[in-house]
Amino acid sequence: NAGVTQTPKFRILKIGQSMTLQCTQDMNHNYMYWYRQDPGMGLKLIYYSVGAGITDKGEVPNGYNVSRSTTEDFPLRLELAAPSQTSVYFCASSGVLTYYEQYFGPGTRLTVT
Amino acid sequence: ILNVEQSPQSLHVQEGDSTNFTCSFPSSNFYALHWYRWETAKSPEALFVMTLNGDEKKKGRISATLNTKEGYSYLYIKGSQPEDSATYLCASPGSGGYQKVTFGIGTKLQVIP
Repeated sequence: NAGVTQTPKFRILKIGQSMTLQCTQDMNHNYMYWYRQDPGMGLKLIYYSVGAGITDKGEVPNGYNVSRSTTEDFPLRLELAAPSQTSVYFCASSGVLTYYEQYFGPGTRLTVT
Repeated sequence: ILNVEQSPQSLHVQEGDSTNFTCSFPSSNFYALHWYRWETAKSPEALFVMTLNGDEKKKGRISATLNTKEGYSYLYIKGSQPEDSATYLCASPGSGGYQKVTFGIGTKLQVIP
């Protein structure tokens, strides 16, 4: 079991560029999440999904888009990158049987300059 | 309490000291309370899932208690070691549905050798 995997690990973007952060889980979890971690601010929920084809906004969705075409994959799209999107991004998944305990990927460190 | 709150935000202890910190969460409609350990440059890892009032969980030198009626949980570390240095997060399902978990900002623990 690989758990939750994320690619890439690091990325530098120029302002206005776009990119997709990939996330895959092999635990057959219905629920998947994208968080960003800003210094001193903890984890902020960007988007989440309760199953294939269903997504919803979290606390800080502006500037991002997601899709969930399969149970395993939950990519996060950044359109028109801005310096405010410089952060560490974590993907996570959870299941009902563990009371929605989150399993996190290793994170993607993104810098927008 | 509308959000998940943790105190203190940071803590320095000497190696061998015991310590504890607090997580406060909305007590109405309680479902579960999660504790995570988050080492620098890594991703959060689950420590405990707590679901019943009066629950006490233990893993090695780390233990946690839960009071759902008053909405708090304590995390205890006995005989702190340098490898216990990490940020400890608590999380509780929020008002948007049990699958949408709200994280506290964390308690950053540094154990001084």
